[in-house]
Formats: sequence, C-alpha cells, structure tokens
Amino acid sequence: DAGVIQSPRHEVTEMGQEVTLRCKPISGHNSLFWYRQTMMRGLELLIYFNNNVPIDDSGMPEDRFSAKMPNASFSTLKIQPSEPRDSAVYFCASSLAHGHEQYFGPGTRLTVT
Amino acid sequence: RKEVEQDPGPFNVPEGATVAFNCTYSNSASQSFFWYRQDCRKEPKLLMSVYSSGNEDGRFTAQLNRASQYISLLIRDSKLSDSATYLCVVNLGKELTFGSGTQLTVLP
Repeated sequence: DAGVIQSPRHEVTEMGQEVTLRCKPISGHNSLFWYRQTMMRGLELLIYFNNNVPIDDSGMPEDRFSAKMPNASFSTLKIQPSEPRDSAVYFCASSLAHGHEQYFGPGTRLTVT
Repeated sequence: RKEVEQDPGPFNVPEGATVAFNCTYSNSASQSFFWYRQDCRKEPKLLMSVYSSGNEDGRFTAQLNRASQYISLLIRDSKLSDSATYLCVVNLGKELTFGSGTQLTVLP
C-alpha cells in the first residue's frame, strides 16, 4: 500500500522565491493535515482539510502561506515569498476521519537562504 | 500549561532495561490517545493507540488514567533500535495535539 506521498523531498531556495510543496494522501482518507517541524517549536499544525474543505487554518503563520486541496488525492502548500525563517521540515499527514490516527508522509526539508 | 505535556528527557538507558514515559493532557473530555515514534530526520510513525483498558503490543504497554489525565508508555527489555523520540498524542476535541516528545537513547 502506498503511504502519504510528498514532493519534493528536499528544497533549497533563495529568499523571496515562491515554494510549492505537494502531497498525495492515502486513498480513502478524508482528512489531510499540513505540519511544520523545527527544533525550536517542535511539530506545529498549520492547516487541515476534511473532505477537501479547509477546516482550521489558524496555524498558518501569515499571509505568505496558503494551502489548497482541489481534489481528494492532492494538496499543495505554497509559500510566497519565502523567508529564511520558513526553513523547516514540512509534513503532510492523512487520516480516515476526524480524530483518527494520522499517517505521515516522509516530509519536505525546506531551506531558504 | 501546555495542552499535552511530556518530559523531554533525554532518557539514556542500558540495553535490556525497562523504561516508562508519562504524558499529561489538559482536556478531560479527550476521547482518543496515541503514542507515536519519530526517528532522527524521519516522519512520526504510529506506535500504538491507547485504550481505556490499557493495551500491550509485544514489549510495549500503554495505559490511560482518565481521573489523573495522563497516559503512559512502558518499554520492556529495551533494544538499541528503540532509540527514538516518543510523541504523546491526544485528541483534545478539535484535532490531534502532539506533545513535544521524549527522547530515548538505549545504550549498548
């Protein structure tokens, strides 16, 4: 069974550039989550979707961050413009339904110089 | 007070030792509880769910104490491969909330 798929696995970009992270959830899962992890702040929930609809985006740090889920098998997290403080590992996770255990993708390691 | 609180450690134990982690949570209405494991530079992976009656999976035992609002994870006969960060996860009514993790190193 394919797990959660994320791309790219690594991204190095310069400050001011647009960054797009991609996620394919596990087939049949109705909830999708975007997290950010750093040493300083740990694992932070940025936004989550139920049935492709954004439910809670209170964790999105600022207007430079946006997320979409155009269909049940694809989501993007976009940062425009990127800043060095956005450097982190970004995880996508999916679950069968609200409150159920979540399964994580391998993450995208983002470095903004 | 944090919503989900864990001792960050590190816990350094010899191979074969028994080690236990506790985690406290703030919402008494919480319904689901999990332990995740995260290896260095990897994603968190589900270790086990925690049921009201307690549950065991091989060398791992998880327990829930609703009255005191804590969950625990016991690892018996620890192996070198158990070295990782263990994340306590609680559904606080909105979505899952992750603790900051307890770091375990099993020494040869």
